[in-house]
Amino acid sequence: EPEVTQTPSHQVTQMGQEVILRCVPISNHLYFYWYRQILGQKVEFLVSFYNNEISEKSEIFDDQFSVERPDGSNFTLKIRSTKLEDSAMYFCASSEAKQWAGGLSQPQHFGDGTRLSIL
Amino acid sequence: SQQGEEDPQALSIQEGENATMNCSYKTSINNLQWYRQNSGRGLVHLILIRSNEREKHSGRLRVTLDTSKKSSSLLITASRAADTASYFCATDIIQGAQKLVFGQGTRLTINP
Repeated sequence: EPEVTQTPSHQVTQMGQEVILRCVPISNHLYFYWYRQILGQKVEFLVSFYNNEISEKSEIFDDQFSVERPDGSNFTLKIRSTKLEDSAMYFCASSEAKQWAGGLSQPQHFGDGTRLSIL
Repeated sequence: SQQGEEDPQALSIQEGENATMNCSYKTSINNLQWYRQNSGRGLVHLILIRSNEREKHSGRLRVTLDTSKKSSSLLITASRAADTASYFCATDIIQGAQKLVFGQGTRLTINP
């Protein structure tokens, strides 16, 4: 069964450094997402991406964050100047785009995540 | 108030028993999804129930949705030790785009 893959599984970075988290979504999917989960807390939405542009973002996704689909398979999340509070598990997800009653009702398939530790 | 709140926060039962987890939400939704998360792993999609559906089955899983009460339940029958995990409900709201809003989750422990 196709799956979403994320690399690296664990990233340790000094505060203030830039970090890029990588994801390979399921190949026929058209919507891509990033979520994060701070230890012991809820999974939080960061951003959704469709047709080479951001379709929605949360208030967490400020100017230090950016996403890119540099080629036909990868989807990346960049954090420009990391802070201690960016330490979390970051999940990539993807879904097909099918309309249902005017809305989108497709399961999102998640990768195993990248554990980001900021020192 | 928060969208997607699970109840109970933790549940411990004996192998073979049934486990029921509940989820309540605040706003109107397109659909509601249940996910499982094993410790340190990603979220595994279990089942999606649309707002015009009332009940759905998948193997040992049974999900109900009551849109009038804005609540859903996940029943796992004949539980196994491998079912030990955290279970989350996630909703997408009709007026929103594609984001999922997750609850805090129920930590389920199946004792052998």
